[in-house]
Amino acid sequence: AQSVTQLDSHVSVSEGTPVLLRCNYSSSYSPSLFWYVQHPNKGLQLLLKYTSAATLVKGINGFEAEFKKSETSFHLTKPSAHMSDAAEYFCVVSGGSYIPTFGRGTSLIVHP
Amino acid sequence: DAGITQSPRYKITETGRQVTLMCHQTWSHSYMFWYRQDLGHGLRLIYYSAAADITDKGEVPDGYVVSRSKTENFPLTLESATRSQTSVYFCASTNTDGGVFEQYFGPGTRLTVT
Repeated sequence: AQSVTQLDSHVSVSEGTPVLLRCNYSSSYSPSLFWYVQHPNKGLQLLLKYTSAATLVKGINGFEAEFKKSETSFHLTKPSAHMSDAAEYFCVVSGGSYIPTFGRGTSLIVHP
Repeated sequence: DAGITQSPRYKITETGRQVTLMCHQTWSHSYMFWYRQDLGHGLRLIYYSAAADITDKGEVPDGYVVSRSKTENFPLTLESATRSQTSVYFCASTNTDGGVFEQYFGPGTRLTVT
């Protein structure tokens, strides 16, 4: 069995400040974890993925995430938010099954 | 062009009509999926397929039918459209290289049922 919880439905930041989007997971198997981004009226795009190699994963557009097994977390961070980062972000777990489980999404709001 | 495409991108139909949404991928990925996305519900799995001629129900299959006669195509049919099926529909395929099930999404079809 697997599940994923995105701890915040909305996160609001000012441009230039750090971004933290939180994700906790559970999986009966060694998981693969993903973050996807969805800009308004667009499809989902892969930001980054964890596949049991390095625990700190770097993605596109300056985002990174750290896999912490002891905390069952895979939080997404970015040092400095841009206006273009405003979007919906989905944390996804896949462990032992080709059917992934999606979180409910976190809406990132970036203020000028 | 390589990738995953959906057609039509936008569709307006009337209650009771049959509608088919098309999905095509060029990678020969074995696994394909249909999701719907609605405000407050995130992404919900409608149907999925492990290979040609192998399909199975997801979380919300009622009112939908799928087929997969060829690996690259995975059409979704609404047999008799209802207003509750107004949604954005996403098709996805999965790359299983190295045992990592990374999904690739199409651009979506916005369906309105009047």
